[in-house]
Amino acid sequence: NAGVMQNPRHLVRRRGQEARLRCSPMKGHSHVYWYRQLPEEGLKFMVYLQKENIIDESGMPKERFSAEFPKEGPSILRIQQVVRGDSAAYFCASSPGSSPYGYGYTFGSGTRLTVV
Amino acid sequence: AQSVTQLGSHVSVSEGALVLLRCNYSSSVPPYLFWYVQYPNQGLQLLLKYTTGATLVKGINGFEAEFKKSETSFHLTKPSAHMSDAAEYFCAVSDDPNQAGTALIFGKGTTLSVSS
Repeated sequence: NAGVMQNPRHLVRRRGQEARLRCSPMKGHSHVYWYRQLPEEGLKFMVYLQKENIIDESGMPKERFSAEFPKEGPSILRIQQVVRGDSAAYFCASSPGSSPYGYGYTFGSGTRLTVV
Repeated sequence: AQSVTQLGSHVSVSEGALVLLRCNYSSSVPPYLFWYVQYPNQGLQLLLKYTTGATLVKGINGFEAEFKKSETSFHLTKPSAHMSDAAEYFCAVSDDPNQAGTALIFGKGTTLSVSS
């Protein structure tokens, strides 16, 4: 049973380009969470999605960032017109049900975005 | 709002020595508490969690943590450090354990170094 798969592992973008980060949850998991880890910081919640629904996007920057979790395929975190401050590690986590506490989240290995 | 404070961004111990990583939280409701470990360039792995019940929680790799409500603490300990324990450790609290699908609030992390 594969874990949470994130790709790419490393992504380099020039300022102004778009970054697309993909997350495939564990088999049987229908809840996906995205977190961002800035250098020397803990993880900060960005968005929580279920299939075809954004449940909580209170941690998402208001501009340039969007997320989706379509009926088929992985969840996508999209960053338009990237700036150097977007350089960070982006982690995805999934859980099998609406309450992750009985299981904890399962995290992917992250995508490390570098904006040059 | 919930918050987590990890005292000491870096902790250094000798191999075989006691490991103590400190975590204090603030919460207006009974918290759900977690410790995660992150090895270089990897995702977060759940070490242990406290939800309800016994306040001394045992996790993987010989780690344990004790929930002390009166001290609002959830310190992580291991009796004897091993070189392979060198990593970054994150304490986390749930935002609202009564609400399904809520995010985790992370501390800034503590880097553990183990010397021979």
